[in-house]
Amino acid sequence: GENVEQHPSTLSVQEGDSAVIKCTYSDSASNYFPWYKQELGKRPQLIIDIRSNVGEKKDQRIAVTLNKTAKHFSLHITETQPEDSAVYFCAASNMGNDMRFGAGTRLTVKP
Amino acid sequence: NAGVTQTPKFRILKIGQSMTLQCAQDMNHNYMYWYRQDPGMGLKLIYYSVGAGITDKGEVPNGYNVSRSTTEDFPLRLELAAPSQTSVYFCASSSGRAEETQYFGPGTRLLVL
Repeated sequence: GENVEQHPSTLSVQEGDSAVIKCTYSDSASNYFPWYKQELGKRPQLIIDIRSNVGEKKDQRIAVTLNKTAKHFSLHITETQPEDSAVYFCAASNMGNDMRFGAGTRLTVKP
Repeated sequence: NAGVTQTPKFRILKIGQSMTLQCAQDMNHNYMYWYRQDPGMGLKLIYYSVGAGITDKGEVPNGYNVSRSTTEDFPLRLELAAPSQTSVYFCASSSGRAEETQYFGPGTRLLVL
């Protein structure tokens, strides 16, 4: 089955700096790659996603890039703010059937 | 719409006891999922369903059972609770193959002692 690895496990940045989180996946059939943000004690919430027919997607300060050949995708957050502090999870699936999540990255944005 | 709802919010079980975690969605979604999240870890898929009457095992199905008799409900059954099942359980749903975005419920925190 699919295996998703996520790095780094923790990331600390100064407010205003950029943050990058990287994930790799193993199953070349995976075609959907979402990113979730989870605040302490809350449910995961989708922040951005990308499908295999697209190389990059951007939504305001958040962007995701996908390299299907290398089987990796990344989350980029620019102009970070303290409210961006949370745990971020990447995931991969084939048509939504069996989604596998990375282990998560704890992002801390220091004011 | 209430979205995805889960009950109970928190439960303490003794080893060997059984319980059912309830999950319901009012978005007419075909796909529903059960995940567990251990402290400081990612989510692991337990079971999923692509429609009423159809269920499939995920990554960590042992010790659990599910049923999907209606589109709205997807209960998760623990038959013989073990300390290793102490976790937070999230239910999620999505509309189906064309739109894979999963919407999560608030979670059920389970402690097995």
